[in-house]
Order: sequence, then structure tokens, then C-alpha cells
Amino acid sequence: EIVMTQSPGTMSVSPGERVTLSCRASQSVSNDLAWYQQRPGQAPRLLIYGASTRATSTPTRFSGSGSGTEFTLTISSLQAEDSAVYYCQRYRNWPVTFGGGTKVEIK
Amino acid sequence: QVQLVQSGAEVKKPGASVKVSCQASGYNFASYGFSWVRQAPGQGLEWMGWISGYNANKYYAEKVQGRVIMTTDPSTSTVYMELRSLRSDDTAIYFCARDHPRRGDYLDSWGQGTLVTVSS
Repeated sequence: EIVMTQSPGTMSVSPGERVTLSCRASQSVSNDLAWYQQRPGQAPRLLIYGASTRATSTPTRFSGSGSGTEFTLTISSLQAEDSAVYYCQRYRNWPVTFGGGTKVEIK
Repeated sequence: QVQLVQSGAEVKKPGASVKVSCQASGYNFASYGFSWVRQAPGQGLEWMGWISGYNANKYYAEKVQGRVIMTTDPSTSTVYMELRSLRSDDTAIYFCARDHPRRGDYLDSWGQGTLVTVSS
């Protein structure tokens, strides 16, 4: 099973700042990597797939990059509504696995 | 638009079974699959398994293999997840999500979640 590791676990950021979240795979997943946002009390929402393709309705301030084992989700200018937990997920082959999540708090 | 609507919250005793439904609308049921993902209180996301809306092929995570059964009812565009021999650590919110019809993929639409509480 491929293990996905996210860092940091929690980050506290001021509105308007740039945010970088990391996701590492224990072996190569090519670009079969998705990012999800989960706000408190809500279901997860797809943000990015194919490592860098924005899902429909994902704001342009969100961008994804990376391939192989190292991936990054960047929020170019943090907004209050971006307070959430962000998960990466590797797919294509079973078992599908999620990272442990990064919680983004607003200062 | 695409919608996945899940059944309501359940409270079960240890050893019992629970069956959660997820009714899809707004697209061709047979053109996609479904994954089930659960989230224990205050914890992350755990993938449980996948079933095809096309041919009902399925793949289960090793952790729940032998206790989980996923089925589809194309006539009502509904998928079901039954979990047997419930334990306290099965207490979680269970989500269905739209997936690829033939393999694991990214999950582009999610149900609202169903809270299953296992308690004596």
C-alpha cells in the first residue's frame, strides 16, 4: 500500500498570505494525485486532480504541482473561507489512499 | 446537477449490521462508479471500497474485507454499503462519492454523509 504523508499537520496563516501544503507518496504515483478541501461539518470537495488540474468551480488562487512522489497545493492569497482541512489522495490503483490532512487556520 | 443523497443517521449496537444508501441523480448512473469513504470523529478520511455503476464489480479495502458488502440498484440509481459485525471503532461519518466506472479515480461529487454510531 502506498502511504501518503502530508505536512505540516496544522498551519495558522493571515488573510492574503501565500500558503503551501505538502504531500509525499511512499512510492511514485505519477500524477494520479487529487486534493480535497473539507470545511467543518461538510463533505470533502474536490479541488485538484491529475496533480495540477483545477476541478470545476475551484478558484484560480488554488494551484497544484508535482509528480512522482512530491506534490504541493498552493493558495496564492488566503481568504477567510479557505479555513479547512486539506487532504491529498492517490488514485488509479487500489487501494486508494488519503494523506492525514493539513488543517489551515486563519490568524 | 449531480447529486448524491444518503440515508439518515443510524445508532447500532456492537455486533449488529448497518446498511447505508446513496441515491444518485443528475447523470447516467452506469457511466460512473462509487467509492465509500469514512471519517471517524476528529480523524482523517479512510477509503473503504469501490463499486462500479456499470457492472457492479467491486474492490474492498483490506481493513473491512469480509465485513463490508457494496451493492447497486440501477433501477433506482442507488448504491448501498452494508457493514457487519459492527464495533465501536466503526463509529464514523460514512460518505459515498462518485468515482470512475472501471477503476479507482478522483472523487468529483460527494454525498452529505451518514453518521453511524456504534454503542451499547
